[in-house]
Amino acid sequence: DQQVKQNSPSLSVQEGRISILNCDYTNSMFDYFLWYKKYPAEGPTFLISISSIKDKNEDGRFTVFLNKSAKHLSLHIVPSQPGDSAVYFCAASASNFGNEKLTFGTGTRLTIIP
Amino acid sequence: DTAVSQTPKYLVTQMGNDKSIKCEQNLGHDTMYWYKQDSKKFLKIMFSYNNKELIINETVPNRFSPKSPDKAHLNLHINSLELGDSAVYFCASSQAYRGNSPLHFGNGTRLTVT
Repeated sequence: DQQVKQNSPSLSVQEGRISILNCDYTNSMFDYFLWYKKYPAEGPTFLISISSIKDKNEDGRFTVFLNKSAKHLSLHIVPSQPGDSAVYFCAASASNFGNEKLTFGTGTRLTIIP
Repeated sequence: DTAVSQTPKYLVTQMGNDKSIKCEQNLGHDTMYWYKQDSKKFLKIMFSYNNKELIINETVPNRFSPKSPDKAHLNLHINSLELGDSAVYFCASSQAYRGNSPLHFGNGTRLTVT
């Protein structure tokens, strides 16, 4: 049962444009969401997070939006840069459990075209 | 000065062998984890240790035995390796396992069982 879904396995975006990565979840207990970025042959690195009490969190070029009613979140990267080319994982957890029940999506490979 | 380091990076071995993967973190974190990324790219938690004590043991065959000699180290020993064990294994750490402190991952160990 895949509780966190990233339905787009890959995405290509022109440098300088906006990249939008999407994530859907099914478990209504999830109330904390994170995005991780992964380069080849490296481990995932934490990028940005959002709690369910917010609908937006911004950090520089990265913004995460949360739509609780739709059980959907998205990561916006603007402007996109070549160094943003990586696999992006969405992850979700329930506060009662935290990292104990952190559930990852299968990732979206983002390619930024120079 | 790598925060979470795991060795070896690559491990090729035959069915039936026993192998170990080592992990060390220098972040002073209390909690360490082992994750498995299978061929479908799912990142799934296998084990979690908090201050050297086992907290989570997901449905992992008992051929997998984690060992935490101190809170900076979490090693994974695998007995009687099977073809299905081929995957990338990631070690990770976090400040606490409750709450939502982000995970810091190692660069992974690609295990290939032939």
